[in-house]
Amino acid sequence: GAVVSQHPSWVICKSGTSVKIECRSLDFQATTMFWYRQFPKQSLMLMATSNEGSKATYEQGVEKDKFLINHASLTLSTLTVTSAHPEDSSFYICSAPRDRGSYEQYFGPGTRLTVT
Amino acid sequence: GQNIDQPTEMTATEGAIVQINCTYQTSGFNGLFWYQQHAGEAPTFLSYNVLDGLEEKGRFSSFLSRSKGYSYLLLKELQMKDSASYLCAVRGNYGGSQGNLIFGKGTKLSVKP
Repeated sequence: GAVVSQHPSWVICKSGTSVKIECRSLDFQATTMFWYRQFPKQSLMLMATSNEGSKATYEQGVEKDKFLINHASLTLSTLTVTSAHPEDSSFYICSAPRDRGSYEQYFGPGTRLTVT
Repeated sequence: GQNIDQPTEMTATEGAIVQINCTYQTSGFNGLFWYQQHAGEAPTFLSYNVLDGLEEKGRFSSFLSRSKGYSYLLLKELQMKDSASYLCAVRGNYGGSQGNLIFGKGTKLSVKP
């Protein structure tokens, strides 16, 4: 079946540094990918919609200059957390629909970010 | 505003039946999803309802009433491996078939022997 991978699975970084998270669709092409963030005991919250070959669409309240999204190919989207702060510590998870007509989204395994 | 409510935790016995309820109030509706999420893992798709009624898939069934803004997930013949969080999610209006998902906080189900 369709698989979405993320790398790294967990990362610890110092405050002020930047961290890049990769999301890959392994056996299908994804023109659209979604990035979510999940704080402990909270919902998955949509951060942005990543579109291949064009700019990402950010949800209200999400700083586009802080969370840089690049969807340079049909199988890879990256999320870079710039100048990370402890409050950015969270579980970041991506998803992709298998094809344009599909209602089903496949989720990556998530990346646990801890900023110290 | 957008609001999806589901119980925080539930406990059930192996072999039993459990029903997890979800109520929603969203500005748009293009389908309701149920996902299973084990700790530290990706959510996995369980069911999708867009019309009123019951959808059955093996041991899992999901029901939707759009007029009541209500859904439930029914798990039969519970197994220990069913211990997980169950996420209710509503697809909003924009983005067509690839529209965004609005998630509830999830219901943590513990299955006891």
